[in-house]
Amino acid sequence: AQSVTQLDSHVSVSEGTPVLLRCNYSSSYSPSLFWYVQHPNKGLQLLLKYTSAATLVKGINGFEAEFKKSETSFHLTKPSAHMSDAAEYFCVVTAAAGNKLTFGGGTRVLVKP
Amino acid sequence: GAVVSQHPSRVICKSGTSVKIECRSLDFQATTMFWYRQFPKQSLMLMATSNEGSKATYEQGVEKDKFLINHASLTLSTLTVTSAHPEDSSFYICSAQKVQRGLREQYFGPGTRLTVT
Repeated sequence: AQSVTQLDSHVSVSEGTPVLLRCNYSSSYSPSLFWYVQHPNKGLQLLLKYTSAATLVKGINGFEAEFKKSETSFHLTKPSAHMSDAAEYFCVVTAAAGNKLTFGGGTRVLVKP
Repeated sequence: GAVVSQHPSRVICKSGTSVKIECRSLDFQATTMFWYRQFPKQSLMLMATSNEGSKATYEQGVEKDKFLINHASLTLSTLTVTSAHPEDSSFYICSAQKVQRGLREQYFGPGTRLTVT
């Protein structure tokens, strides 16, 4: 069994300040973890993924995430928010050997000018 | 690349009618595709796993007779919402699984907004 908890349903930041989106997971197997972004009425875009290689993962658009097994966390960060980062973000887990994705509840990011 | 398309992007249908949504992998073959449903301001929920040449596997609580899935080729899966009702109005998203060097990754379509009146 696997599950994902995104600890914040909404995050509001000012443009140019850091962004932190928190994600905790549980999995019976060695997990693969993903962060996706969804802009309004659009599909999902993969930001980054962890698949048991380096624990610090760099993604697109300046995002990165760190896999911490001891804390069962996979938090997403960006040093400086841009207006275009306003969107919904999903943390996703799958068992390394499996193919079903389990989505977190999502975090809506608002970027203030 | 790995591009997945969906058609239509938006559809409005009357209550009691059926509507078909197509999911295509444009530049790769996908033996497995997935269908998700997303209600407003909510997360994605997996509805079913579509396997080429065999019956789809439905998640608990999803009516297989209402949501018909056909995966007739390695690049096309279809979801037919039969006898649609207003509560079926939702954003339907498909994904196609690409297998490369032993790694499996899902690529998502842009979604289909279904409104049942």
